[in-house]
Amino acid sequence: NAGVTQTPKFQVLKTGQSMTLQCAQDMNHNSMYWYRQDPGMGLRLIYYSASEGTTDKGEVPNGYNVSRLNKREFSLRLESAAPSQTSVYFCASGLAGGLFSTDTQYFGPGTRLTVL
Amino acid sequence: AQSVTQLDSHVSVSEGTPVLLRCNYSSSYSPSLFWYVQHPNKGLQLLLKYTSAATLVKGINGFEAEFKKSETSFHLTKPSAHMSDAAEYFCVVSDLKGKLIFGQGTELSVKP
Repeated sequence: NAGVTQTPKFQVLKTGQSMTLQCAQDMNHNSMYWYRQDPGMGLRLIYYSASEGTTDKGEVPNGYNVSRLNKREFSLRLESAAPSQTSVYFCASGLAGGLFSTDTQYFGPGTRLTVL
Repeated sequence: AQSVTQLDSHVSVSEGTPVLLRCNYSSSYSPSLFWYVQHPNKGLQLLLKYTSAATLVKGINGFEAEFKKSETSFHLTKPSAHMSDAAEYFCVVSDLKGKLIFGQGTELSVKP
């Protein structure tokens, strides 16, 4: 039982390049989330998926797209990377999602992305 | 809208002394509150959560937090710090749709 896994662990891009961050969970969770972490700002929600087949914008969605490929996998795509997207990206999953505000989220180890 | 404020960006304690990490929240309804810990270069791990049951919540590794509605606070405490407690701690509130809203984080340093 690996929990939440993310690939890659590290990535360096040039401005304008594209890439996809991969996330998978093996806990049969319904909801999945993408966050970015910047110094002094905590974690901010980029996109989330309350259930398979649905996605919604979070606090900072500009410059990103997501795909909920199936119940296990939730990918984050940067179509044209910018230096402002240099950050640490975390994927998380939760059992219930949606209106269940007591749901605990379980986090992956993160991807450190640098955009030059 | 829900929000959290962590009152200290950095706290330093000596090993064996008490830990207090302060968090105030703002919510228009009875919130769900969490504390997560992040060790260097690691993901986040849930320490404890409050979901309107007992106001004193016990978590892992000897941590606990008390929900005080009158003070809109959810401070994290531990009686005796260990070196392994050095990490960043996040106070988090959940909105009605189950989305998490994070505080800015408090870095805890533990001196030998």
